[in-house]
Amino acid sequence: GESVGLHLPTLSVQEGDNSIINCAYSNSASDYFIWYKQESGKGPQFIIDIRSNMDKRQGQRVTVLLNKTVKHLSLQIAATQPGDSAVYFCAENMKSGGADGLTFGKGTHLIIQP
Amino acid sequence: GAGVSQSPSNKVTEKGKDVELRCDPISGHTALYWYRQSLGQGLEFLIYFQGNSAPDKSGLPSDRFSAERTGGSVSTLTIQRTQQEDSAVYLCASSSGLQETQYFGPGTRLLVL
Repeated sequence: GESVGLHLPTLSVQEGDNSIINCAYSNSASDYFIWYKQESGKGPQFIIDIRSNMDKRQGQRVTVLLNKTVKHLSLQIAATQPGDSAVYFCAENMKSGGADGLTFGKGTHLIIQP
Repeated sequence: GAGVSQSPSNKVTEKGKDVELRCDPISGHTALYWYRQSLGQGLEFLIYFQGNSAPDKSGLPSDRFSAERTGGSVSTLTIQRTQQEDSAVYLCASSSGLQETQYFGPGTRLLVL
C-alpha cells in the first residue's frame, strides 16, 4: 500500500500568501525525507530535504518540518509566486532489502491565484 | 554534464515491440535510479545501480523489464514486448552516493499503441 501520502490533492492560494503542503508517512524507520517540485512536462526538481535527526530545516522561502511522533512532514512556502505553481511530492527513503529508491506520495497540486 | 539527461524525450511504439531508454547521469554520480510515473500518479521506484551493480531488481514490474549500466555512467532501461500498460513517463535520477540527494532528468514519455 501507499506509505507516503498527501492530505490534499489540490491547494489553491493567493499570490503573496504562504502555503503549507502536508504529508504523512508510515515507516517509522525512514530517516531521510525530501520534497520535490514537478512542473508540467518536466522531471521532479529537488527543493529541500531533511534527515530524521532534525525537526526543521529552512531554505530560500521554503521550510520543511518533520514531526516524527506523528510521522508527519510539511513544506511551507513563503510569499508564494506564480512560478510556485506545480505538483509537490514528498518522498522518503526506505531501505528495505538493500533497495535505496525513494517512495513518493501521489502529490499535491499547488495553484497560485493572481 | 550539467544535469541528468535522458533520451529519447518521447517514444511512440506499437504493442509487442521492444524499446530502449537511455539515461546519462550527472558526471561523477555513482548511484543511478529508474522510476516510472503513470498519468496522474506518483513516482514508482523500479531499480537502482551503485556503480554498475543493481543489488535489488524486485521493483521491476515484470520480467519484460531489464536495466543495465556500463562504465559506471550511462544506463539503459529495456522493455521487451511492450504492452499498453507500459505507457508512462520513465524518469532517471542520479546521486553522489546512496542516501544522497537524487537529481532527476526530464524523463522519457513512452506511449504504447
